[in-house]
Amino acid sequence: AQSVAQPEDQVNVAEGNPLTVKCTYSVSGNPYLFWYVQYPNRGLQFLLKYITGDNLVKGSYGFEAEFNKSQTSFHLKKPSALVSDSALYFCAVRNEDSSYKLIFGSGTRLLVRP
Amino acid sequence: KAGVTQTPRYLIKTRGQQVTLSCSPISGHRSVSWYQQTPGQGLQFLFEYFSETQRNKGNFPGRFSGRQFSNSRSEMNVSTLELGDSALYLCASSLEAQRGYGYTFGSGTRLTVV
Repeated sequence: AQSVAQPEDQVNVAEGNPLTVKCTYSVSGNPYLFWYVQYPNRGLQFLLKYITGDNLVKGSYGFEAEFNKSQTSFHLKKPSALVSDSALYFCAVRNEDSSYKLIFGSGTRLLVRP
Repeated sequence: KAGVTQTPRYLIKTRGQQVTLSCSPISGHRSVSWYQQTPGQGLQFLFEYFSETQRNKGNFPGRFSGRQFSNSRSEMNVSTLELGDSALYLCASSLEAQRGYGYTFGSGTRLTVV
């Protein structure tokens, strides 16, 4: 069965510091991995995805993520956090042969302090 | 280019009633998925449609149903509403979910059952 784990309910960082939001996954076959961000009372906004190729994926708003197959991880990173990055972040996975559905992690709330 | 449009944005219904939610995907996108988001269960897959055919359904009771029209617009229906159906319902469209294209989400419909 496919699953996604986001081990931290909340991540706190100071503005200007690097941030990491962790995600590990379990899927049979090759994974398709996604990161989304959600602001209050809004839908999910796409940040980046890994389908194949380079393990380091660059996305929107300066975010990037590194696919690590041996550790089954896909951590989201940003070199310098902004207060406006404060939001709820979701990691999602599906395998290339799956039944067209995304499996989401439980979400990590990022709080960036001024 | 217009994004994914979900209507209405907010709904209040009474237990036992039924409700229909609408989703207009991005022009040219043929895959539409529906997700339920609640604080307790997180984001859960409801169903996915492609070219008017339901390709997969999540683990929800038969009270939850959907359909897709020839113009790719989709509706989901919930009959005999229960208090636990209160949630944010999100629609996502994709060019073709199978090949790892990204999913674009709408802003959601917030359903409150009283």
